[in-house]
Amino acid sequence: DAGVTQSPTHLIKTRGQQVTLRCSPISGHKSVSWYQQVLGQGPQFIFQYYEKEERGRGNFPDRFSARQFPNYSSELNVNALLLGDSALYLCASSLSGAGTGELFFGEGSRLTVL
Amino acid sequence: DQQVKQNSPSLSVQEGRISILNCDYTNSMFDYFLWYKKYPAEGPTFLISISSIKDKNEDGRFTVFLNKSAKHLSLHIVPSQPGDSAVYFCAASGIGGSQGNLIFGKGTKLSVKP
Repeated sequence: DAGVTQSPTHLIKTRGQQVTLRCSPISGHKSVSWYQQVLGQGPQFIFQYYEKEERGRGNFPDRFSARQFPNYSSELNVNALLLGDSALYLCASSLSGAGTGELFFGEGSRLTVL
Repeated sequence: DQQVKQNSPSLSVQEGRISILNCDYTNSMFDYFLWYKKYPAEGPTFLISISSIKDKNEDGRFTVFLNKSAKHLSLHIVPSQPGDSAVYFCAASGIGGSQGNLIFGKGTKLSVKP
């Protein structure tokens, strides 16, 4: 069975550009979460979507947005890129959007902003 | 203001010995704790978890201990193996009951030497 898949795996952008990252959850999982991991830090929560609705949002500016599609895949968009947006962006899926339980992570999209 | 703290950036252990990774948290509302392992160029992989109603959970070579009064948890790996060499993240959840919103520590890099 396929795990969480993310694309692209690596990308380079320049300041001010926009980027879209994509995520396909594990089959049957209805919740998708996005995390940002900068070098030397742990993953930081950006968004959670469940059944196409936003269930949670971390402390990130409005330049960050996301959506979830009917097939439960998701996109993360970042506008007006800054150098500080350079990071590994991780997508994670889970069966439901509430309660406790493990998240299953993809390998991430490595974004470099020049 | 870190709510989950892993104060040891790195730990080196001899193969066959015990590895003890520590984690402290500040928010008493956390009710579920998880440990993730991360190899380079891979996403975090779930290792073991514990609910706040328990003080110990064991899975093979891995045991997690929770001391609620001290707001401290630890991961014990016995015996340690070279393949355990990775970055270990402690994470907590429970605020708002969202499964997708985990608060991560900065991680501890474990090196197990043959």
